[in-house]
Amino acid sequence: GENVEQHPSTLSVQEGDSAVIKCTYSDSASNYFPWYKQELGKGPQLIIDIRSNVGEKKDQRIAVTLNKTAKHFSLHITETQPEDSAVYFCAAKGTGAGSYQLTFGKGTKLSVIP
Amino acid sequence: DTEVTQTPKHLVMGMTNKKSLKCEQHMGHRAMYWYKQKAKKPPELMFVYSYEKLSINESVPSRFSPECPNSSLLNLHLHALQPEDSALYLCASSQNFGTDTQYFGPGTRLTVL
Repeated sequence: GENVEQHPSTLSVQEGDSAVIKCTYSDSASNYFPWYKQELGKGPQLIIDIRSNVGEKKDQRIAVTLNKTAKHFSLHITETQPEDSAVYFCAAKGTGAGSYQLTFGKGTKLSVIP
Repeated sequence: DTEVTQTPKHLVMGMTNKKSLKCEQHMGHRAMYWYKQKAKKPPELMFVYSYEKLSINESVPSRFSPECPNSSLLNLHLHALQPEDSALYLCASSQNFGTDTQYFGPGTRLTVL
């Protein structure tokens, strides 16, 4: 089955700096890669996603890049703010009848220091 | 609107109690999911309903019993739980079974004494 590795497990940045979280996946058939933000005591919130026919996607201060050849994808947050502090999960999913499951990375705890 | 709601927010129960968790979505989604999340871990899939029928059971113990009364509602009935079942229980939904994008609810924090 699919395996997703996520690094780093913790990340501290100064407010205003950029943060990068990286994930690698094992199944070359995976073609959907969402990122979720989970604040303390809340459910995961979808913040951005990318499909395998696209190399990069941006939404304001957040961007995701995908390298299908290397089987890795990354989340980039620019101009970080204290409210960006949370746990971030990457995930991967294939398509087709048997591909119903999101495989999550283990999460990255991001702390933005004011 | 991409909102999934869950009640209650918190639940404390003894090992002999019977309780239920509820989930609701009004996005017209036909697939609904139950996940279990332990502290500092990613969500783990438990059940998937598609068009109100149970499609996937990830070998979950029978003390957890899901129910989908209609296309907007999903319940998880709990009975004879163990302390190790204490976790955050998350509901999610997607347009259809196998559709990529899943939207999560806020979860129910369950404590089993």
